[in-house]
Amino acid sequence: DSGVTQTPKHLITATGQRVTLRCSPRSGDLSVYWYQQSLDQGLQFLIQYYNGEERAKGNILERFSAQQFPDLHSELNLSSLELGDSALYFCASSPQPIARDSPLHFGNGTRLTVT
Amino acid sequence: AQKVTQAQTEISVVEKEDVTLDCVYETRDTTYYLFWYKQPPSGELVFLIRRNSFDEQNEISGRYSWNFQKSTSSFNFTITASQVVDSAVYFCAPHAGGTSYGKLTFGQGTILTVHP
Repeated sequence: DSGVTQTPKHLITATGQRVTLRCSPRSGDLSVYWYQQSLDQGLQFLIQYYNGEERAKGNILERFSAQQFPDLHSELNLSSLELGDSALYFCASSPQPIARDSPLHFGNGTRLTVT
Repeated sequence: AQKVTQAQTEISVVEKEDVTLDCVYETRDTTYYLFWYKQPPSGELVFLIRRNSFDEQNEISGRYSWNFQKSTSSFNFTITASQVVDSAVYFCAPHAGGTSYGKLTFGQGTILTVHP
């Protein structure tokens, strides 16, 4: 158990809808990362937050947004969903934003299916 | 530009065979870390090991061993006496410096199947 909690585990929704994925980092970790895993793109970094502030942005679509709350949990909001957004979304956490020698610890992921 | 390559798409072995997974990381950075993750069929991403770019000494931990060859930027990960439970997708993920601090770039992964 990595200590990172993601909910829900599965999500099935229709095109055009909006969903929210939730992540609670490991106790003591201040930094949260979101990754998307799809068959055609592999594992892609989306966005990183540290102590409530956005730190780095990757290949995140404008339809997607995220935030980190004062209690350090994070939410990833996906709107105007398309079939191609179907993927496994992972959240990871680390103690600090500069964690070059520390592994990221991943949650079990949320599998999103857009029909 | 930085590039991580896992040239082996799929590997199939019989239980108890040794298997080596290759990863090449091309970068101008002289100091970086490389992580290996395992993704079993259940889907979670599990951290396995970490290596740095300034230590070429081979390391062994249980059935896992790994070595780094600086001349070829090659990180190889070996599982000794493979078991069926080792069947998974294995990813190498470098963690570079500069503006990349804080994020991992994953290779495409190697699917390992261990047959009984």
